[in-house]
Amino acid sequence: DQQVKQNSPSLSVQEGRISILNCDYTNSMFDYFLWYKKYPAEGPTFLISISSIKDKNEDGRFTVFLNKSAKHLSLHIVPSQPGDSAVYFCAASEGNTPLVFGKGTRLSVIA
Amino acid sequence: GAGVSQSPSNKVTEKGKDVELRCDPISGHTALYWYRQRLGQGLEFLIYFQGNSAPDKSGLPSDRFSAERTGESVSTLTIQRTQQEDSAVYLCASSLGTGLGGELFFGEGSRLTVL
Repeated sequence: DQQVKQNSPSLSVQEGRISILNCDYTNSMFDYFLWYKKYPAEGPTFLISISSIKDKNEDGRFTVFLNKSAKHLSLHIVPSQPGDSAVYFCAASEGNTPLVFGKGTRLSVIA
Repeated sequence: GAGVSQSPSNKVTEKGKDVELRCDPISGHTALYWYRQRLGQGLEFLIYFQGNSAPDKSGLPSDRFSAERTGESVSTLTIQRTQQEDSAVYLCASSLGTGLGGELFFGEGSRLTVL
């Protein structure tokens, strides 16, 4: 049973527009959430995180929103750039447990 | 180098053979993780080492899988009597610790193909 779900396997966005990647989770004990970005033939790299005591965290063009009541988080990228094209993984953890990852969403930003 | 290093980057083996995958974590990182990604799937947790504590092996899919870590350095993931369903990219990651702020730094992975 997947605890972290990314229901959209792919997303296509025009350059300059907003990209919104969604993630749902089932474990209400998760207290830390992260987004990782992965290019082909490379390992995932950390992008942005949020703890459960916050509902928003912003870093440049990237913003993560957390809705605990809905067990939902989203990553907003604005403006989207062609270099943002990658697979984005949502991940969550409970206390000191290892991160649980979703299946990923492939973002294509079209010039 | 400064990052997590994994070897081999690619391994093709025949069903039934044993394989060993190696991971060199970032120096000073006490936590080390193995994940795998099968085609079309997310990252699946396998095993985790934290300092001198007993490893968390809860993600290992069968007793054919084992891993060792020497102190706070190199780790080896061993798969015995490989099966075709073991084909995946095996990713190693390290971090300064766990829990809040425990950002993982991943290697490039070892792609295993079992024929």
